[in-house]
Formats: sequence, C-alpha cells, structure tokens
Amino acid sequence: EPEVTQTPSHQVTQMGQEVILRCVPISNHLYFYWYRQILGQKVEFLVSFYNNEISEKSEIFDDQFSVERPDGSNFTLKIRSTKLEDSAMYFCASSLTGDGNTIYFGEGSWLTVV
Amino acid sequence: AQKVTQAQTEISVVEKEDVTLDCVYETRDTTYYLFWYKQPPSGELVFLIRRNSFDEQNEISGRYSWNFQKSTSSFNFTITASQVVDSAVYFCALSERYNYGQNFVFGPGTRLSVLP
Repeated sequence: EPEVTQTPSHQVTQMGQEVILRCVPISNHLYFYWYRQILGQKVEFLVSFYNNEISEKSEIFDDQFSVERPDGSNFTLKIRSTKLEDSAMYFCASSLTGDGNTIYFGEGSWLTVV
Repeated sequence: AQKVTQAQTEISVVEKEDVTLDCVYETRDTTYYLFWYKQPPSGELVFLIRRNSFDEQNEISGRYSWNFQKSTSSFNFTITASQVVDSAVYFCALSERYNYGQNFVFGPGTRLSVLP
C-alpha cells in the first residue's frame, strides 16, 4: 500500500541551527502538508502546498519556516534557525485532491532542539 | 472558537468493555468531511474513517462503529469489546473547503487506555 515516508525519524539539533525534514508523499497525490505535534498536545496545521506553491499556512509558519518541492518526489520543511520551542513531532502528509480527500500521514520526524 | 471538540481528555476501560469517544464539530459549510485518526504509542497517525456531510448513515467496521448526527454536530466513535491494542490517542478531524485546498483541523484528542 502506498505510504508517505519521512526522514529522519529523529533528529537532535542545537538551538540556532538549520534543520531540513524530508518527505516523499504518495506518488499520485497533488496536495502536501506539514503538521506538528508538541509532546502530549494536539496536532497543529503548519502549511499546505499545491501546484508548487503554498496554498495555506498557519500563524505558526513564520519566516523561520519554508517548504520546497525540489524535484518530482520530495517535499521538504526547512527551519532556518531552530528554537527550543520547535521541539516537536513533525508530520508530513499528502492527499489526492484538496476537496475533503483523506490526508495520509507519514510516521513523523521527531525534532529535539537542545 | 474550537472547531473540533473532544470533551473526554482521557478514558480508561477494562478489556472487553465498550467505549464511546465523543466528537463535536463546528462549521458553517454545508459540505464538509469528518475523520477519525488513531495515534498508537509508536506515534504515527493512522486513518480510520472519512465521512462526508451528506452521508448520515452509521458505519460499522469490525469492532468499530461511527454515529454521525448532523442535528447535534456530532461524530462519535464506539469501540465494542475493547482490547489492549486499542490503547491510543484518538483524534477527530474536520475538513472544510478553503481556497485551493482544504482546511483540515484536528480536535485535541482523547487518550484511551484499555486495561487487561
């Protein structure tokens, strides 16, 4: 069964460092997303991406964050200068369409900022 | 205002008991979609069910069943004869149409512990 894959599964980084989280969405999906979940809290929307541009972003997704689809398969989330409060599980997801279609999530990348 | 409310933060049951997880949503759209996801201790988000706003039929899948009631804006999830492997956090989610995509919002989750 097709699935969303994410790397790395866990990354520890020092405050102020740049981090890139990578994702390979399901191959025929057109909409891509990043969500984050701070330990023990709810899953929060960060950004959605369609047709090579951001279609929607939340207030969490400030100038420190950026997304890119550098080639036909990868979808990346970059955090430019990490802060302690960026420590969270980051989920990549994709859906076939954007109209209420099921969003399938990867297994998450756990980011720890020290 | 929170769009998706899951009033039960934590529930503990003993194995073989039935348990119902509540979900109440808020939307002005006439077309929307509701979802349940399971997050086991390993952390991944596992899709369980998707429902559109025009389909109020209850659904049963094995030990799982879902009750969608538009009149009360609720989409409750029942596990029959619970098992230890059902222990997880369960999230209800709402999808509304937004510009070129969907506004997909999770509720705060209900942590279910099934004790042997």
